[in-house]
Amino acid sequence: SYVLTQPPSVSVAPGKTARITCGGNNIGSKSVHWYQQKPGQAPVLVIYYDSDRPSGIPERFSGSNSGNTATLTISRVEAGDEADYYCQVWDSSSDPLKVFGGGTKLTVL
Amino acid sequence: EVQLVESGGGLVKPGGSLRLSCAASGFTFSSYSMNWVRQAPGKGLEWVSSISSSSSYIYYADSVKGRFTISRDNAKNSLYLQMNSLRAEDTAVYYCARGLYDSSGYCFDYWGQGTLVTVSS
Repeated sequence: SYVLTQPPSVSVAPGKTARITCGGNNIGSKSVHWYQQKPGQAPVLVIYYDSDRPSGIPERFSGSNSGNTATLTISRVEAGDEADYYCQVWDSSSDPLKVFGGGTKLTVL
Repeated sequence: EVQLVESGGGLVKPGGSLRLSCAASGFTFSSYSMNWVRQAPGKGLEWVSSISSSSSYIYYADSVKGRFTISRDNAKNSLYLQMNSLRAEDTAVYYCARGLYDSSGYCFDYWGQGTLVTVSS
């Protein structure tokens, strides 16, 4: 099965830039999607197909994907960005087909 | 506005069965693939099962294959998950999620609020 590796936690001061990585074998050849989940709430799609933002998601959220690492970047971090973030890919040759990373807890200091 | 509302969760004994439902509204349900994704208490997200728009293609995670059955009723705008032979490790919040895909990838663009399934004696 395809494995996605995320750091368990990332901390950042308000107004600074947070970068959350998602590692996988040749992940640059796949489309990566990112979800934000706040405590007690359902996940919300924040970046899809590597770098697209759904409507309603602030421009502060951006994504990139190359080689063995995909990155979610949150600029000008706000207290309300504190949440768990998950990356996800679809791998037609893998089982399970839809794979999530283990998640990263973003703490705003 | 897209809405997905799950129901049917609850407490069940090991070996028991439960049927989850997801009522969809705000979009043309019959045009989208649908999914179940679960999250064990304090853990990450785990994809469970997917069904194509016309039910022609159905997929399961290995962890539930042979025990869970996904289905849909496009006339009722509803998605279902029949869960049999439940185990303690199936305890989780189960989310209904809409699929968005093309040839290069697949993501979950809308999620319900989830329904909690607890398997315990």
